[in-house]
Amino acid sequence: EDKVVQSPLSLVVHEGDTVTLNCSYEVTNFRSLLWYKQEKKAPTFLFMLTSSGIEKKSGRLSSILDKKELFSILNITATQTGDSAVYLCAVEPTQGGSEKLVFGKGTKLTVNP
Amino acid sequence: EPEVTQTPSHQVTQMGQEVILRCVPISNHLYFYWYRQILGQKVEFLVSFYNNEISEKSEIFDDQFSVERPDGSNFTLKIRSTKLEDSAMYFCASSEGGGPPYEQFFGPGTRLTVL
Repeated sequence: EDKVVQSPLSLVVHEGDTVTLNCSYEVTNFRSLLWYKQEKKAPTFLFMLTSSGIEKKSGRLSSILDKKELFSILNITATQTGDSAVYLCAVEPTQGGSEKLVFGKGTKLTVNP
Repeated sequence: EPEVTQTPSHQVTQMGQEVILRCVPISNHLYFYWYRQILGQKVEFLVSFYNNEISEKSEIFDDQFSVERPDGSNFTLKIRSTKLEDSAMYFCASSEGGGPPYEQFFGPGTRLTVL
């Protein structure tokens, strides 16, 4: 069974801190790994990592993928209160192009002023 | 910026009633999905839809569920006879699909409450 495990489940930091969120996975095949930010409702897309793109960066957020060790990390530097959200990791197993996503439980990040 | 839209934002129904959740995917996208998230739990895949047919479905997606693309823009999820355990947030998503991996874009969700 395909599985995605995120850690920690919850994290509380102060503004300005740097955080690292972890995601490990076990899937029968691997096509891509995605990070989403979920604030109130819909997950909003952050990054996609694939065999041909194992490192991504956008502003204060960056992510790497280790295909050998089957994990990814999401880094957020100089955190702000607006970064408070649940961060979801999802993996897309290769299955005939249907592209379903298998999600982890998420990491709830709280950034205090 | 194009986005996935969903209606209604909140639906309250009695157990045993039929509900239809509506989604308008991003216009040039080819793959459509439904996911659900029970309160406090992970987002779970229900079904994917491509070329007017189901391409994959999960164990959750039993005979009580059906999907349809009734016209060129809407994508619907029908639950025939709702149960208490169907209470959840239902997300529609779409992607360009095919070939290289494409990110899925999610709608704002419909919160379904079954009483």
